[in-house]
Amino acid sequence: DGGITQSPKYLFRKEGQNVTLSCEQNLNHDAMYWYRQDPGQGLRLIYYSQIVNDFQKGDIAEGYSVSREKKESFPLTVTSAQKNPTAFYLCASSIDPGLGGNQPQHFGDGTRLSIL
Amino acid sequence: GDSVTQMEGPVTLSEEAFLTINCTYTATGYPSLFWYVQYPGEGLQLLLKATKADDKGSNKGFEATYRKETTSFHLEKGSVQVSDSAVYFCALQRRDDKIIFGKGTRLHILP
Repeated sequence: DGGITQSPKYLFRKEGQNVTLSCEQNLNHDAMYWYRQDPGQGLRLIYYSQIVNDFQKGDIAEGYSVSREKKESFPLTVTSAQKNPTAFYLCASSIDPGLGGNQPQHFGDGTRLSIL
Repeated sequence: GDSVTQMEGPVTLSEEAFLTINCTYTATGYPSLFWYVQYPGEGLQLLLKATKADDKGSNKGFEATYRKETTSFHLEKGSVQVSDSAVYFCALQRRDDKIIFGKGTRLHILP
């Protein structure tokens, strides 16, 4: 079955440490997204990529970095510059960002990051 | 800027009750509207969508109608089940593909 796989499901980080969250999709989707979910806050966009080797900052990109070297993969690195990284992180993809905004996004099951 | 406002939860209902979760939006242009559902420990799943005014999206007994005149997309279900307990997100998607989510409404259904 096609879908989006995020790993690990739970991740712990020590102060001053960078960590990388994995996101892989086999849906052949062009666009991929990273969101951060905090209680009562809804989802906030961190980064997105509409094509391989290109990505743009979302609303809360500070303290995060991404890469898009392959169509299937869009890893997110939470750097030590992110002062409040504890959250639930969701990766999503959509089929073609040029179709006028009516294609839904497909989500992975998320990674919960906690600070030790 | 564009925004989505949905009713705050939690919403607690008994099984077989009628459900309405209100959602209103502010947007320039003509966005598509979506309802997503999130079950505990999981990501979001598309529940239904509507892409233009007066469209009705429906799925699994849930319905929502795109009302341009009232800028609303309220979610309804005639008879809820315990398995409907989840968090529901209303969202708009602009022509440039950016999605704006509401803050989510937690729904508890009591047996």
